[in-house]
Order: sequence, then C-alpha cells, then structure tokens
Amino acid sequence: GAGVSQSPSNKVTEKGKDVELRCDPISGHTALYWYRQSLGQGLEFLIYFQGNSAPDKSGLPSDRFSAERTGGSVSTLTIQRTQQEDSAVYLCASSSRTGLGNTIYFGEGSWLTVV
Amino acid sequence: AQTVTQSQPEMSVQEAETVTLSCTYDTSESDYYLFWYKQPPSRQMILVIRQEAYKQQNATENRFSVNFQKAAKSFSLKISDSQLGDAAMYFCAYRSARGGSEKLVFGKGTKLTVNP
Repeated sequence: GAGVSQSPSNKVTEKGKDVELRCDPISGHTALYWYRQSLGQGLEFLIYFQGNSAPDKSGLPSDRFSAERTGGSVSTLTIQRTQQEDSAVYLCASSSRTGLGNTIYFGEGSWLTVV
Repeated sequence: AQTVTQSQPEMSVQEAETVTLSCTYDTSESDYYLFWYKQPPSRQMILVIRQEAYKQQNATENRFSVNFQKAAKSFSLKISDSQLGDAAMYFCAYRSARGGSEKLVFGKGTKLTVNP
C-alpha cells in the first residue's frame, strides 16, 4: 500500500477482554515495529520484526502481550485480559532493509481505551 | 542502554520567527543515527530530518536544520521562518548503527505552538 495502515483506528474495550490490533506495512518493507504511546509520553518500543521473525521483543511489557507476523507482511498485536494501564495509542511502523539509517515510516496508530 | 532527553516539554514561537528545540542523548557507541520526527494531531509520525553520527556536517532540509555536537551528545533542531503548520509534537530519536538493534529510542517530546 501507499502507507502503513492500521486498524482499528479506535477501540474501546472492557477490562479483561482480549484485543487484536492489525498493521499492514508498506509493500516490500521487511522490517516492522510496534510502539506504544501513552498520554503525554514518548514512544515506547514493544517489538521488532524482520520478515516473520522477531529478533527483538524486549519491549513487550508482560506475557499478556504478543505479536505475530505472517507472510512477511501483515502483523497482529494481541493484548490478552486487557487492563486500564494498557490504554494508549499503539503505533506500527515499517522500513526497508537497506541500511540502519533508512527511514522508518509510521502509521496513524490504533487508539485503545480500556474501561 | 541508550536514552534520549528532551528538556523542553513545551515551546512557542511567533509565525515567521526561528525556534530551536533541544535534545541530548546518552550512548557509549560511536556510530549511530539521530532523527527528529513531527507528530501532528493526526498522530502520524513524520520524519523531519536525519543525521548520521559519522558525518560532521549538520543536516538541513529546507527550513529545518540541526546542530549536531557529537562530543556533547547534543542534537538540536532549528526551525526557521516558522509556519502555522509546524505546530506539532516533535520527538528526537536515536538508532544504533550496530546490527541487531533496529529500534528507535525516543525522547518524551516537545510540544511546539506557533502563534500567528
């Protein structure tokens, strides 16, 4: 696609429910990232994919968080048994694998509210 | 671990004036990349400018330029001839040049207001 696409744009869920957030990266981009941005805060790294594998998942805050990527393209971030502190904007980004200085392009994010 | 600090939570500037946003970082590495991203209310992060640490020359992109001081670990952003459309959150970010560490490390951001 033309840009990084994320869905849903906004999600309100009840505490304890599971949620899935989807990211469709720019076509041909092999690297994919998930970040979390809480209100008034910077971006917190969650996980990085290169192709379908995740060499760096050090930012996942707990075992309630998981992510997968299939076919080297679409990625899903799953949060199980959501808590109120999970409320944040979840941003996905992608980049081509042409060097570490290459530009990382971001989507518009999925705004998750846990009530 | 690398850290990025933006000491100015908020800044304001008059339209057509110049403003400088500060950023400092902490790293033991010698090779890395630095970035400034802009986040308007639409939430989408947009790359403003990029600097390779091995380059001594400061990067410029039209009205945007940086003052990169490697020894001081400082990376400030200067916006000249500020426009109303420049109003946004600005984030400074660091990325290691070492393979395997692909992530960007962000500061907490500076909210820029442009007054007409």
